[in-house]
Amino acid sequence: GENVEQHPSTLSVQEGDSAVIKCTYSDSASNYFPWYKQELGKRPQLIIDIRSNVGEKKDQRIAVTLNKTAKHFSLHITETQPEDSAVYFCAASGGGSNYKLTFGKGTLLTVNP
Amino acid sequence: NAGVMQNPRHLVRRRGQEARLRCSPMKGHSHVYWYRQLPEEGLKFMVYLQKENIIDESGMPKERFSAEFPKEGPSILRIQQVVRGDSAAYFCASSPGESYEQYFGPGTRLTVT
Repeated sequence: GENVEQHPSTLSVQEGDSAVIKCTYSDSASNYFPWYKQELGKRPQLIIDIRSNVGEKKDQRIAVTLNKTAKHFSLHITETQPEDSAVYFCAASGGGSNYKLTFGKGTLLTVNP
Repeated sequence: NAGVMQNPRHLVRRRGQEARLRCSPMKGHSHVYWYRQLPEEGLKFMVYLQKENIIDESGMPKERFSAEFPKEGPSILRIQQVVRGDSAAYFCASSPGESYEQYFGPGTRLTVT
């Protein structure tokens, strides 16, 4: 089955700096890669996603890049703000008609004011 | 437009009791997924259901756990004879038909004493 590795497990940046979180996946059939943000005690929230026919997608201060050959994808957050502090999860969904998500273990992002 | 609803939000059970967790998907969504999150870990897929059908239960323990999504009413995740290791946050997510985007409910935090 699919296996998703996520790095780093913790990341601390100064407000205004950029943050990058990286994930690798094992199943070359995977074709959908979402990122979720989870604040303490809250539900995971979908913040951005990318499909395998696209190499990069941007939404304001967040962007995701995908390298299908290398089987890795990354989340980029620019101009970080304290409210960006949360746990971020990457995930992958395999091909066919099964849409279940396989998640990475998460990255705790702390943005210091 | 109400989001995914889960109840109860918190559930305490003694070892050996049964736990029933309910999930009402977003309006118009016909696919439901259940995930389990252990403390400081990522989300693990348990089961994927459509109305009256279990599509994939590969992440569900073989014993004590069952899930259903009837034609009418919420999806139910049932855990019989709970043990301390079942203590976790259980999230359900829903998606609109044949779609990758999954939206999560607030979760049920199960504590087994």
